[in-house]
Amino acid sequence: DTGVSQDPRHKITKRGQNVTFRCDPISEHNRLYWYRQTLGQGPEFLTYFQNEAQLEKSRLLSDRFSAERPKGSFSTLEIQRTEQGDSAMYLCASRDDRGLYNEQFFGPGTRLTVL
Amino acid sequence: AQSVTQLDSHVSVSEGTPVLLRCNYSSSYSPSLFWYVQHPNKGLQLLLKYTSAATLVKGINGFEAEFKKSETSFHLTKPSAHMSDAAEYFCAPNQAGTALIFGKGTTLSVSS
Repeated sequence: DTGVSQDPRHKITKRGQNVTFRCDPISEHNRLYWYRQTLGQGPEFLTYFQNEAQLEKSRLLSDRFSAERPKGSFSTLEIQRTEQGDSAMYLCASRDDRGLYNEQFFGPGTRLTVL
Repeated sequence: AQSVTQLDSHVSVSEGTPVLLRCNYSSSYSPSLFWYVQHPNKGLQLLLKYTSAATLVKGINGFEAEFKKSETSFHLTKPSAHMSDAAEYFCAPNQAGTALIFGKGTTLSVSS
């Protein structure tokens, strides 16, 4: 499979718990993006990496959120002390930036429910 | 700064009739523009993209879109809707390499 994969697909947790999501991008893609999508809204940008460097973070990314891409391949997004407002679909996308207009390819998402 | 407005939150059509989903963008310079489709509980799939070449862009599943700089629009059309087209559609302008800025989406319903 050459697409973007995300794990887990669904996560239910209790408020206050920590959760971690994983994204495996398309292998030759050096850029990796995280988005959050709440019900009835379009995806909102959280952060992105070029190789292992985190180049931009949205103001949506509070201190409870941290993302890593340690070897420039897969990435993890951790949410500490989850709140009910964190319930959303978390989408990962990757892109090959050798092409100026290359599109982002999205994974299936991880749906987080915080009880 | 870029922004995007999808003018209709919900569009309902009958199977076999034309589809029009409207998108207006604002940008201080011509962006690249994308239309993505999202089926329930799935990730986003690229339908088509405009990259400053031809203004009429053809995508997958019979969709096409026309870039009109004078109107700052990039409306998505399809001559004949199919039941499988029922989904959420997102327009997104993009400056090369930056994060996508998505509209709120348009839900397309197709009735038989």
